[in-house]
Amino acid sequence: DAGITQSPRHKVTETGTPVTLRCHQTENHRYMYWYRQDPGHGLRLIHYSYGVKDTDKGEVSDGYSVSRSKTEDFLLTLESATSSQTSVYFCAITRSLYNSPLHFGNGTRLTVT
Amino acid sequence: QQPVQSPQAVILREGEDAVINCSSSKALYSVHWYRQKHGEAPVFLMILLKGGEQKGHEKISASFNEKKQQSSLYLTASQLSYSGTYFCGTWATGGGNKLTFGTGTQLKVEL
Repeated sequence: DAGITQSPRHKVTETGTPVTLRCHQTENHRYMYWYRQDPGHGLRLIHYSYGVKDTDKGEVSDGYSVSRSKTEDFLLTLESATSSQTSVYFCAITRSLYNSPLHFGNGTRLTVT
Repeated sequence: QQPVQSPQAVILREGEDAVINCSSSKALYSVHWYRQKHGEAPVFLMILLKGGEQKGHEKISASFNEKKQQSSLYLTASQLSYSGTYFCGTWATGGGNKLTFGTGTQLKVEL
């Protein structure tokens, strides 16, 4: 199994508070992704990184920011959490584009009250 | 823009076959298929590259029609362990460094 760890696994927070989710990999893969999963929507891309300090927006990036200061760590920050950001968040990594599988972390279940 | 999957849900008796379809409006480099069990992370099944290759994984196989930007996942002689949600993911040409997933197909296999 690919070495990818998400933390925390579960978090409950209040509306308006900042939240940071961490994704850590030991595979030295260049590409890292943050998806959120909600019923009826499947997996939707929030942000992704194609190298250290190189990031780009996905389809549902509003209200989220990311940072990647080291190859192994990709952080997702909710600057001011809202109830609509209650979701399961998955980090994924891949070695190369389009011909290499994505390997997913175990997910973080975030509840914003 | 997410690829469209059909059907949204299917219930099978053990031993029956099923087909799950994935359609994109964009030209594609490749199509990925993943399966997710309840409460777990998605797990990679296979990749279909441009060229119409058909890949196999045990009793699960898939095809990719590059001209129509369509892929189909074939599950034959289904087993209880096949239950879960199946997602296709597409790499679009000119679509950036990202895999876009469909909304999923819930598959339940019963005795």
